[in-house]
Amino acid sequence: NAGVTQTPKFQVLKTGQSMTLQCAQDMNHEYMSWYRQDPGMGLRLIHYSVGAGITDQGEVPNGYNVSRSTTEDFPLRLLSAAPSQTSVYFCASSYSTSGKNIQYFGAGTRLSVL
Amino acid sequence: RKEVEQDPGPFNVPEGATVAFNCTYSNSASQSFFWYRQDCRKEPKLLMSVYSSGNEDGRFTAQLNRASQYISLLIRDSKLSDSATYLCVVNSFQKLVFGTGTRLLVSP
Repeated sequence: NAGVTQTPKFQVLKTGQSMTLQCAQDMNHEYMSWYRQDPGMGLRLIHYSVGAGITDQGEVPNGYNVSRSTTEDFPLRLLSAAPSQTSVYFCASSYSTSGKNIQYFGAGTRLSVL
Repeated sequence: RKEVEQDPGPFNVPEGATVAFNCTYSNSASQSFFWYRQDCRKEPKLLMSVYSSGNEDGRFTAQLNRASQYISLLIRDSKLSDSATYLCVVNSFQKLVFGTGTRLLVSP
């Protein structure tokens, strides 16, 4: 059972390049989300999905797109990378039990935009 | 004001010490509460949920005070392996809001 798998682990981009961060989970969770983590800021929600075909914006969605064509996959696309998008990106999947949303995180993608 | 606030620390304690972290949240409609642990350059992992009645898991005790809107985590008999950043997390309308974390350093 792999849990949540993110690729790549590290990436360096030039300003203006585009790329896709991959996220896959094998736990059949309906809820998936993307966060970015910056020093002193905590984790901030970028986009989330409550099931296949349904996505919504989080706190900091600008510059990012997502899609959810299957339950397992939730890729994050950077349309035109900017230095402000240098960050650590975490994908998470979750299930609800007794009204609680329990999240499992991938190992993260460390992105630098030059 | 941040929705979830924590003292960033670091808290430097010797092995065997008892240490407590507090966290405050601003949304009184928040529904559930958690402590996550994050090791350096790793992903956050669930440490424990927090219940109104208080709950304990080994050396860890979590408390919730809804009236004052704060959450606490107590660690007894600290181990070197407890060194990490502890994230206070609040669930509001199916979204998790994370505090910036409190860093704990346990020394021999």
